[in-house]
Amino acid sequence: NAGVTQTPKFQVLKTGQSMTLQCAQDMNHNSMYWYRQDPGMGLRLIYYSASEGTTDKGEVPNGYNVSRLNKREFSLRLESAAPSQTSVYFCASSGIPQETQYFGPGTRLLVL
Amino acid sequence: KQEVTQIPAALSVPEGENLVLNCSFTDSAIYNLQWFRQDPGKGLTSLLLIQSSQREQTSGRLNASLDKSSGRSTLYIAASQPGDSATYLCAVNSGNTGKLIFGQGTTLQVKP
Repeated sequence: NAGVTQTPKFQVLKTGQSMTLQCAQDMNHNSMYWYRQDPGMGLRLIYYSASEGTTDKGEVPNGYNVSRLNKREFSLRLESAAPSQTSVYFCASSGIPQETQYFGPGTRLLVL
Repeated sequence: KQEVTQIPAALSVPEGENLVLNCSFTDSAIYNLQWFRQDPGKGLTSLLLIQSSQREQTSGRLNASLDKSSGRSTLYIAASQPGDSATYLCAVNSGNTGKLIFGQGTTLQVKP
């Protein structure tokens, strides 16, 4: 039982490049989330998916898109990376939105 | 808009001391509150979740309390150990959507 897994662990991009961050959970959870963590700003919600087939914007959605591929997988896409998107990205999941969230190990992204 | 504050930002104590971490939030209309631990370079680990109808939750040496009317929660750590050194984050769920609003965290150092 791996919990929440994220790939890649670390990535360097040039401004304007695109990439997709992958997240998968094996806990049969319905809800999944993407956060970013920045020094001085704390953790902020980017997008979330309360259940398979639904996605909604969080606090800082600009510059990102998401896909809930199936119940297990929730991906985050940066279409045209900007230096302001340099951050640590965390994926999380919960059984239902009101329950405890379980976090993945994070993806460290550097945009030059 | 919900805002979550954690004081102090950093705390250093000798091993064996009992300590209290504080979390305050501006809007008392919350669904639940969660406490997390984050080790350097790692993801978040859930410690305790308190529903809005509860006053406290306990897990081992940890005890979290919630006073919704005053917008406060505390995390009490008994008999602290060097292994407790980490950043502790509180997060508020203001609705039943799972959208967590995080505080900036308290970084704890327990000295042997």
